[in-house]
Amino acid sequence: AQSVSQHNHHVILSEAASLELGCNYSYGGTVNLFWYVQYPGQHLQLLLKYFSGDPLVKGIKGFEAEFIKSKFSFNLRKPSVQWSDTAEYFCAVIANQAGTALIFGKGTTLSVSS
Amino acid sequence: DVKVTQSSRYLVKRTGEKVFLECVQDMDHENMFWYRQDPGLGLRLIYFSYDVKMKEKGDIPEGYSVSREKKERFSLILESASTNQTSMYLCASTRQGSYNEQFFGPGTRLTVL
Repeated sequence: AQSVSQHNHHVILSEAASLELGCNYSYGGTVNLFWYVQYPGQHLQLLLKYFSGDPLVKGIKGFEAEFIKSKFSFNLRKPSVQWSDTAEYFCAVIANQAGTALIFGKGTTLSVSS
Repeated sequence: DVKVTQSSRYLVKRTGEKVFLECVQDMDHENMFWYRQDPGLGLRLIYFSYDVKMKEKGDIPEGYSVSREKKERFSLILESASTNQTSMYLCASTRQGSYNEQFFGPGTRLTVL
């Protein structure tokens, strides 16, 4: 069965520090990859997505992610975090041959201190 | 703007009660989903539907059922609520096709006493 693994459960950073959140998936075929964010008290919303083409994708609020097929990874990065980035981040994958249901990782809580 | 609404933000029920959670989307999406979100476990798929009257089990369907009588509405039913069903329930919808973003509702925090 497909699965998604997020390496860090809780990350604590100071403002202006760089961020990298790890995400690995297990599926050998074609996948579509997503990062979602949930700010405190708000809906889950899409940060960015990868379907094909350039493996480096840019999303909202200065976030980017790199798809490395050989490593089954889709890590999320931001060069300089802000206090407002405090949120829970979820990596998700759809295995194209498996239908339309997203498979989510367990999430990473990011706390940014000012 | 896509809007996914859920009938309640907070709900408190007693063990054994029948519970209905309603979800409505206004963008004519074919696919609708119910997840539960628990700390440290992420989002887990309960059921999804890709058309009216169609449903598919997700990863954790036990203790739940669903109903989709109209395209815009997807209901989650707890036939006999139990304390281990205390959770945040999220509804989502998307257009047909795996490349489409899922849009989420605000969630219903259900407490079963």
